[in-house]
Amino acid sequence: EMKVLESGGGLVQPGGSLTLSCVASGFTFSDYAMSWVRQAPGNGLEWVSILHNDAATSYYADSVKGRYTISRDNSKNTLYLQMKSLRAEDTAVYYCAKFWGSEHYNYHMDVWGKGTTVTVSS
Amino acid sequence: QSVLTQPPSVSGAPGQRVTISCTGSSSNIGAGYDVHWYQQFPGTAPKLLIYGNSNRPSGVPDRFSGSKSGTSVSLAIIGLQAEDEADYYCQSYDNSLTAYVFGTGTRVTVL
Repeated sequence: EMKVLESGGGLVQPGGSLTLSCVASGFTFSDYAMSWVRQAPGNGLEWVSILHNDAATSYYADSVKGRYTISRDNSKNTLYLQMKSLRAEDTAVYYCAKFWGSEHYNYHMDVWGKGTTVTVSS
Repeated sequence: QSVLTQPPSVSGAPGQRVTISCTGSSSNIGAGYDVHWYQQFPGTAPKLLIYGNSNRPSGVPDRFSGSKSGTSVSLAIIGLQAEDEADYYCQSYDNSLTAYVFGTGTRVTVL
């Protein structure tokens, strides 16, 4: 069974930093692009970032560009999201998701984790 | 801000058919990119419901049906059941944002 499991969430002060992790199992992690998606309390889903399987090609939502860095360690089947200069509006449940599709513009997310909660507050 | 627009809510009685629209623009749905749909129950992670406009992953009941015609995209639930009460999101790709985009989300209520 394909699974992903996030960790690393918590309470952080505005301007602070936090790193999330996502461990994958049940599939060949190095073959797939991976993504982070977040959901603020009471709001809808917001795509955050994608990292292709080459670990070199990444894209970010404008709302986090320059503050977040996505990375992966294919030897550890692990995806990371380093978050800096955190703001109150970054408060959300952060989901890790496996991307799948024939072309990058048709990618969809077929495996989701349960999420980890990040709260930015003083 | 979501670039794909969905109705905030739809409702129907058990057994009825309900449809959820997903409206985009020439830089996403209108560009020919696939649309995918996710189902989310409160307090849980989203689940892939429809991919590639109209394909159901294994295990998804056939009462869920996706369609795309030009720039018009919709999800239909045919024979609504109480357990279908959830939030539904569409998703596609936007070439002007170079980003994956979600719809605003639709809450389905079973009367």
